[in-house]
Amino acid sequence: NAGVTQTPKFQVLKTGQSMTLQCAQDMNHEYMSWYRQDPGMGLRLIHYSVGAGITDQGEVPNGYNVSRSTTEDFPLRLLSAAPSQTSVYFCAAGGHTEAFFGQGTRLTVV
Amino acid sequence: ILNVEQSPQSLHVQEGDSTNFTCSFPSSNFYALHWYRWETAKSPEALFVMTLNGDEKKKGRISATLNTKEGYSYLYIKGSQPEDSATYLCAPANTGGFKTIFGAGTRLFVKA
Repeated sequence: NAGVTQTPKFQVLKTGQSMTLQCAQDMNHEYMSWYRQDPGMGLRLIHYSVGAGITDQGEVPNGYNVSRSTTEDFPLRLLSAAPSQTSVYFCAAGGHTEAFFGQGTRLTVV
Repeated sequence: ILNVEQSPQSLHVQEGDSTNFTCSFPSSNFYALHWYRWETAKSPEALFVMTLNGDEKKKGRISATLNTKEGYSYLYIKGSQPEDSATYLCAPANTGGFKTIFGAGTRLFVKA
């Protein structure tokens, strides 16, 4: 069972570059979300979606865009990468009873 | 946006000790409270979800309670083992079950 798949696992960007972190789930969950994890700060919600075509902002949405054209995919776009966006990013599917997390993407912006 | 606080931030115990952590959250618009276990270099894994005031859940040596009126939940570990070493996250969800916000976690270290 694939569950939640994130790609890439590691990425280094230069300041100002843009990129998309991919997230795909095969569990048919309506709810998906993106978090970033920074030392001492736990997981902070970036954006979330309650179904295809519906997205909303979380705690720290600035500098990120999302879209949800299908139930399966929920990509996270960094518009113009900044060093402050260096972090580990987790995608999750599900929320009411249990969230299933991807393996994370470690992003470094230099 | 829910303000979630977990205490202590970190905890060092000896193998065999029993321990507990606290998660506090605003009680208004409460929908559900999740506990997750997060080992280093892995993804968070769900332990419990609780929705009703007074709920108690148990999985092996780990149990949790919920008080939605005063806005807190306790996680208990009985007879801690080195493999219990992890960060324990609580995550309350607001009405509708969406927008799940995580606390900063309690980092548990169990020494053999």
